[in-house]
Amino acid sequence: AQTVTQSQPEMSVQEAETVTLSCTYDTSESDYYLFWYKQPPSRQMILVIRQEAYKQQNATENRFSVNFQKAAKSFSLKISDSQLGDAAMYFCAYSNRGLRLDTGTASKLTFGTGTRLQVTL
Amino acid sequence: NAGVTQTPKFRVLKTGQSMTLLCAQDMNHEYMYWYRQDPGMGLRLIHYSVGEGTTAKGEVPDGYNVSRLKKQNFLLGLESAAPSQTSVYFCASSYSGGIDEQFFGPGTRLTVL
Repeated sequence: AQTVTQSQPEMSVQEAETVTLSCTYDTSESDYYLFWYKQPPSRQMILVIRQEAYKQQNATENRFSVNFQKAAKSFSLKISDSQLGDAAMYFCAYSNRGLRLDTGTASKLTFGTGTRLQVTL
Repeated sequence: NAGVTQTPKFRVLKTGQSMTLLCAQDMNHEYMYWYRQDPGMGLRLIHYSVGEGTTAKGEVPDGYNVSRLKKQNFLLGLESAAPSQTSVYFCASSYSGGIDEQFFGPGTRLTVL
């Protein structure tokens, strides 16, 4: 079974600074997908960024970027120019490229335990 | 376009009572999921569905049942609630499974006394 590990329960960053959240995963698959989801105090889960394992180029979404190291099974999230609105729980998640239920498998997400990010003035 | 909605938002049950959580999505997604979120444990998959009329077990299915009679709805049932089922429950949907973005509902906070 796949596992996702986030070793930093809490992180803090000053406004306008850069912070990196760590994530490692364990899998025997070669084709899979990795995600970072954000959960603000409102509890609403929002996709931040998505990475396809077969793409070597690191994904980027505005101030958010990832450092994907496939051999090391590492998938860290870098937030640049941090803003107060970035304060949230961040979850790393893994999904394999599964098939449909009628074939016995289906792709689904496995989440890490989350990192709570505080943004200070 | 409401996205994913969940009913109710809060509920308090006594041990042994039953209830059903309703999830509805208006994005015509095939895949739907039920997760529970507990402190320090992230989100864990309870059950999921890959299409109307199908359901499958996730990581923590014991004590829960589900049904997907209509494509847009995914129901989660607790037949005999236990204090261990106190949690926040999230429903999610996606177009083509875990490889795509999952859209989440706002969550249901359930307390079992």
